[in-house]
Amino acid sequence: EVQLVESGGGLVKPGGSLRLSCAASGFTFSSYSMTWVRQAPGKGLEWVSSLTASSSYKYYADSVKGRFTISRDNAKNSLYLQMDNLRAEDTAVYYCAKVSAQKYFQHWGQGILVTVSA
Amino acid sequence: QSGLTQPPSVSGTPGQRVTIPCTGTTSNLGAGFDVHWYQQHPGTAPKLVIFSNNIRPSGVPDRFSGSRSGTSASLAITGLQPEDEADYYCQSYDTSLSGVVFGGGTKLTVL
Repeated sequence: EVQLVESGGGLVKPGGSLRLSCAASGFTFSSYSMTWVRQAPGKGLEWVSSLTASSSYKYYADSVKGRFTISRDNAKNSLYLQMDNLRAEDTAVYYCAKVSAQKYFQHWGQGILVTVSA
Repeated sequence: QSGLTQPPSVSGTPGQRVTIPCTGTTSNLGAGFDVHWYQQHPGTAPKLVIFSNNIRPSGVPDRFSGSRSGTSASLAITGLQPEDEADYYCQSYDTSLSGVVFGGGTKLTVL
């Protein structure tokens, strides 16, 4: 059974940093692209960033480019999102998800809340 | 401004058929990229209900179906049931954004 478990969320001040982790199990992690999607309170889904299986290619939404960095450790079956220079508008539940070859997300984590507030 | 447009809400009564439209542009659906659909109940993670335009994942009832033509796509739910009340999102790839794009979401209310 595929499992994705996010951790590392919490309350941070504007301008601060936070690192999210996503622990994967139940599939060959090193063979799949992975992604982060977020959802602000009461709002819709927003794609944040994706990373190919070997980390060769990284993609970011314009809203986070230059501030967020996606990475992975295939030996640890883990995906990360380093979030720097956080803003109030980054407040959201962050989900990690496994990416199919056709770029859909069949498996999602339970989500982790990030709150950016003074 | 999302590259995929959905109505904020639709509603139907139990047993009825409803459709949720998703309008794209020439840089996503019109460029030939597939559309995928997710269902999300409050407080839970999204669940994939249709992928690659019209394919149901294992375990999704055959009451759910999808279609795509040109720059438009739609999700249809027949025999509406109370548990279908949820938010629904379409998703594709957008060349102008160089990334994944979601529709704004549609809240389905079962009256």
